[in-house]
Amino acid sequence: EAGVAQSPRYKIIEKRQSVAFWCNPISGHATLYWYQQILGQGPKLLIQFQNNGVVDDSQLPKDRFSAERLKGVDSTLKIQPAKLEDSAVYLCASTPIRGAGNTIYFGEGSWLTVV
Amino acid sequence: AQSVSQHNHHVILSEAASLELGCNYSYGGTVNLFWYVQYPGQHLQLLLKYFSGDPLVKGIKGFEAEFIKSKFSFNLRKPSVQWSDTAEYFCAVNAKYNQGGKLIFGQGTELSVKP
Repeated sequence: EAGVAQSPRYKIIEKRQSVAFWCNPISGHATLYWYQQILGQGPKLLIQFQNNGVVDDSQLPKDRFSAERLKGVDSTLKIQPAKLEDSAVYLCASTPIRGAGNTIYFGEGSWLTVV
Repeated sequence: AQSVSQHNHHVILSEAASLELGCNYSYGGTVNLFWYVQYPGQHLQLLLKYFSGDPLVKGIKGFEAEFIKSKFSFNLRKPSVQWSDTAEYFCAVNAKYNQGGKLIFGQGTELSVKP
C-alpha cells in the first residue's frame, strides 16, 4: 500500500518569498492533516480537512498560510510571504475517517529553510 | 487545553540497557494515547496505542507502554535496547470524543544507543 506522498522534500527560500507544498494522502483516506514540526519540538497541527472541508484551522497563521483540498484528495499548503520562523518540516498525514480511534499515517515531510 | 510533556530531551544508552521514556499529559476528558517513532530520515511511524482495556500495551519491536490514569502518564519501556532503536520518540494524545481525532504531541525524546 502506498503511503502519504509529499513534495518537494526540501526547499530553501529567502524571507518574503512564497512556497507551496503538495500532499497526496493514502487512497481512500477522507481526513487529511498538515502539521508543522520546528526543530526540537513535536509536530503541531496547522489544519485538518474532512474530504474537501476544513474541520480545524485554529492554529493556522491565516495572514500568511493557506491550504486547500479542492477535490477531497490532494492538498496544497502555501506560505506567502515566508518568515525566518517558518523554517520547519511540514508533515502531511491522513486517516480513513475522522475520529479519535483511527491510526494517523504520516508522510516523510517537506523540509523548509527560510534564509 | 490539551498538552503533553516528555521528561527527557535526549537519552543515551548502551546496547542491552533497559529503556523507560516518560510521558505525562494534561486533559480534562477521556483520551487515546500513542507513541510514535521517527528513525533518521524517515517518517513518523506508530509504535503502539492505547484506546481502552488492559493498561499495559504491547507494540512493535519489543516496545510496551503502561497507562496509569491516576498519574496521567503513559511511559514507554523496552527491556533491552538495540543500536537500531536510535531514533526520536514522540508521545501523543487525542480526545476520545469530539475534536476530530487530531493528535497533540510532546516535544520528543531523542534516543541514542551506543553499540
